Amino acid sequence: GAGVSQSPSNKVTEKGKDVELRCDPISGHTALYWYRQSLGQGLEFLIYFQGNSAPDKSGLPSDRFSAERTGGSVSTLTIQRTQQEDSAVYLCASSLMTRQETQYFGPGTRLLVL
Amino acid sequence: QQPVQSPQAVILREGEDAVINCSSSKALYSVHWYRQKHGEAPVFLMILLKGGEQKGHDKISASFNEKKQQSSLYLTASQLSYSGTYFCGTETRAGSYQLTFGKGTKLSVIP
Repeated sequence: GAGVSQSPSNKVTEKGKDVELRCDPISGHTALYWYRQSLGQGLEFLIYFQGNSAPDKSGLPSDRFSAERTGGSVSTLTIQRTQQEDSAVYLCASSLMTRQETQYFGPGTRLLVL
Repeated sequence: QQPVQSPQAVILREGEDAVINCSSSKALYSVHWYRQKHGEAPVFLMILLKGGEQKGHDKISASFNEKKQQSSLYLTASQLSYSGTYFCGTETRAGSYQLTFGKGTKLSVIP
C-alpha cells in the first residue's frame, strides 16, 4: 500500500471491554512496531515484530495487552478489560527489513476508555 | 530508565542552529531520534548505533558519545518546517528492541 494504515482511527469504549486495534504496514516491510502516546506525553514503545515473531514482549504494559502478526503483514494489538489509563493514541510503524532503518508511522488509533 | 533531553524547549529564528541533547544513565546500544508535529504521527529522523554507524536524513546530523552515554542532534540553518517536538529513544541492550523515550524537546522556529 501507499503507507501504513491503522483502524479504527478512533475508538470509544467502556471500561472493562476488550478492544482490537489493527495495523496494515507498507507492503514488503518485514519489521513492524507498536507505540503508545498518552495525551501530552512522549512515545512509549510497546512491541516490535520481525516477520511474525516478536523477540521481546516486555514493553507491553500489562498482561491485558497482547499483539500478534500473521502472514508477515497485518498486526493486531488487543487490550482486554480496558482501563481508563489505557486511553491514548496507539501508533504503528513499519520498516523495510531491520529495525535500524527508517520507520514509517501510521496515523494512529485514538482510544478513549470511559 | 528514561533518558533526559535538554533543552526542554527552544525558540529559534529561521537560519539559526540548534543542538538537542539526550543523556542516559545506562550504557547505550543505539539512539533513535524522531520529530513530531502537533496532531501528527512522529517522523523518524535518525538512528545511531554503537560503533559509530548512523543512518538518517541528509540535512540533519547527530553524534553518539558512547563514553558519555549521550547523543546530540544538530539542526543547522533551521527552517520553519523544523518546528515540532523532538524525541530521543534509547536502547540499552543489544538484541532487544526495548526503546525508552525522553520527554521531548519542543522546537519552535519563527520567521
